[in-house]
Amino acid sequence: EDQVTQSPEALRLQEGESSSLNCSYTVSGLRGLFWYRQDPGKGPEFLFTLYSAGEEKEKERLKATLTKKESFLHITAPKPEDSATYLCAVRTNRDDKIIFGKGTRLHILP
Amino acid sequence: KAGVTQTPRYLIKTRGQQVTLSCSPISGHRSVSWYQQTPGQGLQFLFEYFSETQRNKGNFPGRFSGRQFSNSRSEMNVSTLELGDSALYLCASSLGGAGTDTQYFGPGTRLTVL
Repeated sequence: EDQVTQSPEALRLQEGESSSLNCSYTVSGLRGLFWYRQDPGKGPEFLFTLYSAGEEKEKERLKATLTKKESFLHITAPKPEDSATYLCAVRTNRDDKIIFGKGTRLHILP
Repeated sequence: KAGVTQTPRYLIKTRGQQVTLSCSPISGHRSVSWYQQTPGQGLQFLFEYFSETQRNKGNFPGRFSGRQFSNSRSEMNVSTLELGDSALYLCASSLGGAGTDTQYFGPGTRLTVL
């Protein structure tokens, strides 16, 4: 069965304390992996799309990487405004559906 | 460019009623997907429409249905509402040309079933 697992479920960091969020996936074939940020009461906001192992993408303090089994979202020197839930999703080759992980709730303390 | 819009933003219904939610995609996008988001289950895929045809469907009962119009706008209907249908319903649009298209989400419709 296709699965997407995100860890940790929640993470509290001090402002400026860098860390990484993990998204591991078990799918029959990967068409694409997506990272989103979601603020409370709002729809997910697109961050990155990764297609193949070894690919990396960066945007401001965020960098996403992809291997054959997992993706990492690295956050460098985070600020309080980076506090949000970060969602990972994969689109599979098997049935072209998108499967979301449960997300990581990130809280950056000033 | 305007983003994905969803109406209404909030809705309160009682058990047994039915509800229709609306989604207008980003201009030029031909694919619309619907998701249900709850605290316990997270984001779950309902269905995807492309050029007025349902292209994919998640594991939800037949009470959940949808359609897409020629202008790519989409509606989702839930009949015989149950308490467990209370959730944030999200619509996402994409260009729709390939399976790797990035989806862009609307703000969602918060449905409460009493």
